[in-house]
Formats: sequence, structure tokens, C-alpha cells
Amino acid sequence: SQTIHQWPATLVQPVGSPLSLECTVEGTSNPNLYWYRQAAGRGLQLLFYSVGIGQISSEVPQNLSASRPQDRQFILSSKKLLLSDSGFYLCAWVPAPNYGYTFGSGTRLTVV
Amino acid sequence: ILNVEQSPQSLHVQEGDSTNFTCSFPSSNFYALHWYRWETAKSPEALFVMTLNGDEKKKGRISATLNTKEGYSYLYIKGSQPEDSATYLCAFCESRDKIIFGKGTRLHILP
Repeated sequence: SQTIHQWPATLVQPVGSPLSLECTVEGTSNPNLYWYRQAAGRGLQLLFYSVGIGQISSEVPQNLSASRPQDRQFILSSKKLLLSDSGFYLCAWVPAPNYGYTFGSGTRLTVV
Repeated sequence: ILNVEQSPQSLHVQEGDSTNFTCSFPSSNFYALHWYRWETAKSPEALFVMTLNGDEKKKGRISATLNTKEGYSYLYIKGSQPEDSATYLCAFCESRDKIIFGKGTRLHILP
């Protein structure tokens, strides 16, 4: 079956520390993968998407980066977190054309 | 900058009553319109994907309509139940990978 896994569920990190969030998809190959963030008081914002290994598109300039080292793995990183990086991060993919996104369980990141 | 507006921002509805809310989006470069339900402590869950002007979709007590020419979609909930309490998100898609989410309508069902 097709599933999407995201971890960790919650994270509290000091300002200036690095970040690595991981997302993996099972039961499919060559999926389009997406990272979204919801900051306080705002809607879901697309951060990055990837159509294949090593292919990353960035939607907004920011302190974050993404990598796709393997077909079903999508990683969100930062070298030095800012307070404004706090939010709820969601990984997503689209199982089939004309399907909505299927989201991972999300990571609540608090930068202190 | 593309704008996807949802209204109202928040809504309190008595159990058993019907309700609806709106998503407005740009009327050009339309590819698809998604609706999601986002319950507290869970991930958003896709309700509908709508691609054609005049589309109407239904899933149980929830239905949605789409008007791409004027740039709006309505979500209707008939006979609200406590489990309908959630945030309802719409997402305007200019392409498969170019998707803008609204801020959502937070629905509270009152017992």
C-alpha cells in the first residue's frame, strides 16, 4: 500500500541550530514530493517540490533547503534556524492524477 | 501574487444545521481546485478535486460547487455533526505543482 512517513512529530530547537526533517513514501516510484509549512496565522505555504532525484524547485526564498537523495526520500534542512522558521511542516505527494495531496503526519517545529 | 481567499475565517454552527463557506480564487490560469478537511492533531485530508467549470462533487453530507469563470467555489455541509468540526482548506492550482492554499475556514459544531 502507498503510505507517507514524516518525522519527527515535534521538535524544539534553539536559534542557530541545524535542522533535518525527513519524509519517505512507500508503495510508489518516482513520486512528486512537496514540503509545505504553516506558520502562525498563515495558510499552508509551498516551500519546495521535487519531481525526481536531485531535482528541487524552491517556491520562496528562505533559510531552508531541500534535497532528494533517493527516489522516495525528501529532506528539509537548515544550517541555522531562525525564530521565523517555527511552524508546522508537512510533506505531501499526489498518489494519482486528479487526486488531492496525501500529507504526512507533520512536524511541529518550535525555534526558541 | 495569487490570492486565494476563504470566508468566513471562523464559523459556529448548531448541530443539525446546514452551512456553507466560500473559496475565491483568480479566474485565469485555472488548473484545478482542491478542498481539504484538517482536523486538529491530524493532517489535511483531501475531500474534492475539481477541474471543470460547473463541477459539483458530493461525499456523504458534504458537497462542493465550482465556478471557474467568476473564480469561486462553495463547500456545503448538510445536517452538521460534531465530527465535522475542522478547518476546511481550499487550494487553487495553476498547474500540478503550482498550488496556493487559502487560510481556511475553521468550523465549530455546537452540540
